Amino acid sequence: GENVEQHPSTLSVQEGDSAVIKCTYSDSASNYFPWYKQELGKGPQLIIDIRSNVGEKKDQRIAVTLNKTAKHFSLHITETQPEDSAVYFCAATYNNNDMRFGAGTRLTVKP
Amino acid sequence: ETGVTQTPRHLVMGMTNKKSLKCEQHLGHNAMYWYKQSAKKPLELMFVYSLEERVENNSVPSRFSPECPNSSHLFLHLHTLQPEDSALYLCASSQGRGGNTEAFFGQGTRLTVV
Repeated sequence: GENVEQHPSTLSVQEGDSAVIKCTYSDSASNYFPWYKQELGKGPQLIIDIRSNVGEKKDQRIAVTLNKTAKHFSLHITETQPEDSAVYFCAATYNNNDMRFGAGTRLTVKP
Repeated sequence: ETGVTQTPRHLVMGMTNKKSLKCEQHLGHNAMYWYKQSAKKPLELMFVYSLEERVENNSVPSRFSPECPNSSHLFLHLHTLQPEDSALYLCASSQGRGGNTEAFFGQGTRLTVV
């Protein structure tokens, strides 16, 4: 079945720096890759997603890149702010059905 | 407000108790999910309901019993749980089953089994 690996498990950056989180997946048929942000005491919320027909997508300070050949995708956050501190999850489709999630990355942005 | 509401937010129960978690979605979606979130582990898909029919249960122990009376409500009935079942239980919904659509999550129920 689909296996999604996510790294690093924790990431600490200084405010204003960039943060990069990487994920790999195993099912070459996967074609939808969302990223979720989970703040303390809340459920995960979608922040950006990418489909397999594009290699990059950007939304203000957040961007996602996808390399289908290598089966990996990454989340890039630029000009980080303290409110970006949260746990981030990547996910990938599985046999065109239900999503499988990575283990999460705890991002801390220090003021 | 995400449109998916879970109650209770916190629950402490003994191993011999029976309790139920409730989820309600106000988004008009037709697929609903239960996930288990444990520390430092990926979100684990437990159950999927599409059009009120269960389509996947991922070999979840029978001490967890889901119920979906209609497309807006989802329950997870709990009985004779073990301490290792302590976790955050998340409900989600989506428009159509499948991994190509956004899943909307509730805030979760923090379950502690003592």
